[in-house]
Amino acid sequence: AQSVTQPDIHITVSEGASLELRCNYSYGATPYLFWYVQSPGQGLQLLLKYFSGDTLVQGIKGFEAEFKRSQSSFNLRKPSVHWSDAAEYFCAVGAQGTNAGKSTFGDGTTLTVKP
Amino acid sequence: NAGVTQTPKFRILKIGQSMTLQCTQDMNHNYMYWYRQDPGMGLKLIYYSVGAGITDKGEVPNGYNVSRSTTEDFPLRLELAAPSQTSVYFCAATRGQGYNEQYFGPGTRLTVT
Repeated sequence: AQSVTQPDIHITVSEGASLELRCNYSYGATPYLFWYVQSPGQGLQLLLKYFSGDTLVQGIKGFEAEFKRSQSSFNLRKPSVHWSDAAEYFCAVGAQGTNAGKSTFGDGTTLTVKP
Repeated sequence: NAGVTQTPKFRILKIGQSMTLQCTQDMNHNYMYWYRQDPGMGLKLIYYSVGAGITDKGEVPNGYNVSRSTTEDFPLRLELAAPSQTSVYFCAATRGQGYNEQYFGPGTRLTVT
């Protein structure tokens, strides 16, 4: 069965600083990987996804993530954080085959941005 | 294009009451899902559907029921509400296949007292 671990429950960074949110997954084959962002009181919105090809993927709002098969990781990065990036971030893994399009979500990382 | 809409946004139920959470999507996606999100936790799948007339249980289905009579609508029914069902509920839709992202509604915050 697939699983996702986000080791950091809460991260605080200063505005303008760089950011890296960690995500580790467990899945037997090449996974489909996603990062979603959830602003307070909102549903989840896709930031970026990986399913094949270039292991460095670009997303919206200046985010990027790198798929590292050897480390079973898909860490999210941003070179310079803005106050509006404060939110909860979820990593998710989707499976190939007849899984009805289901994804397994991590427990999330809450990002606080200091002025 | 509204995407996925959910009603109501907020609801307070007394123990033992029942209610239906509504979910509608206008993207013509076959696959739909209901999740619950408890504080500090990720999303837990309650039920899902791969098309009209087809539903299946997720990892936390107890206390809930669903139906899918049309592609657009996927209501979630709570029978005999319990405090353990206090949560935020999200509906989502996707084209299917594991590489397609899910599109989420804004959520329903439910409190059972």
